[in-house]
Amino acid sequence: SQQGEEDPQALSIQEGENATMNCSYKTSINNLQWYRQNSGRGLVHLILIRSNEREKHSGRLRVTLDTSKKSSSLLITASRAADTASYFCATVGYGGSQGNLIFGKGTKLSVKP
Amino acid sequence: NAGVMQNPRHLVRRRGQEARLRCSPMKGHSHVYWYRQLPEEGLKFMVYLQKENIIDESGMPKERFSAEFPKEGPSILRIQQVVRGDSAAYFCASSPIGTENTGELFFGEGSRLTVL
Repeated sequence: SQQGEEDPQALSIQEGENATMNCSYKTSINNLQWYRQNSGRGLVHLILIRSNEREKHSGRLRVTLDTSKKSSSLLITASRAADTASYFCATVGYGGSQGNLIFGKGTKLSVKP
Repeated sequence: NAGVMQNPRHLVRRRGQEARLRCSPMKGHSHVYWYRQLPEEGLKFMVYLQKENIIDESGMPKERFSAEFPKEGPSILRIQQVVRGDSAAYFCASSPIGTENTGELFFGEGSRLTVL
């Protein structure tokens, strides 16, 4: 069954605005990751947050994790047209083998210049 | 330092034919993973391999699909007697040794299989 579910499914904003995407998951996790996928391309790892962390920053990215609610959010600040892509959260559950990531269906972000 | 290399990027097969997809991991990476992505969907795990070993094949269909990662050469995902439902993008990813349970993967650009 689907572990990660992103919300919203699609998001359209203007350049310079902030974009927030949410992810919910079902089971206990070791960590949660966010990936970006440009149309027709492979996935690029953005950021990983461990289950004992609550917030993490990387450049214009801010990720939060609430294990009590089994949810995470990805915030992209001061968005650019180049941020247009699909964003996926992925988890490895306790006992899951390395690399057996469970992906959601993604949030399709469109940043208009 | 080349990334994960997949070929072919696009493959067209007729129903009943075989598809072979190849993946060369990043230099220094000894773990390879295959994922499948249907249109407008997230990726679904298929199989995790190390050299000459299948570690986790819990996502592989029971029939027609097989994967290997030989001592020399690329990893191969083989689909026999393809059907239209096999049409998808197949992604390979790799990770270096020693990242057990961190989960960060490096993905290739994918091989897009179309079954006519």
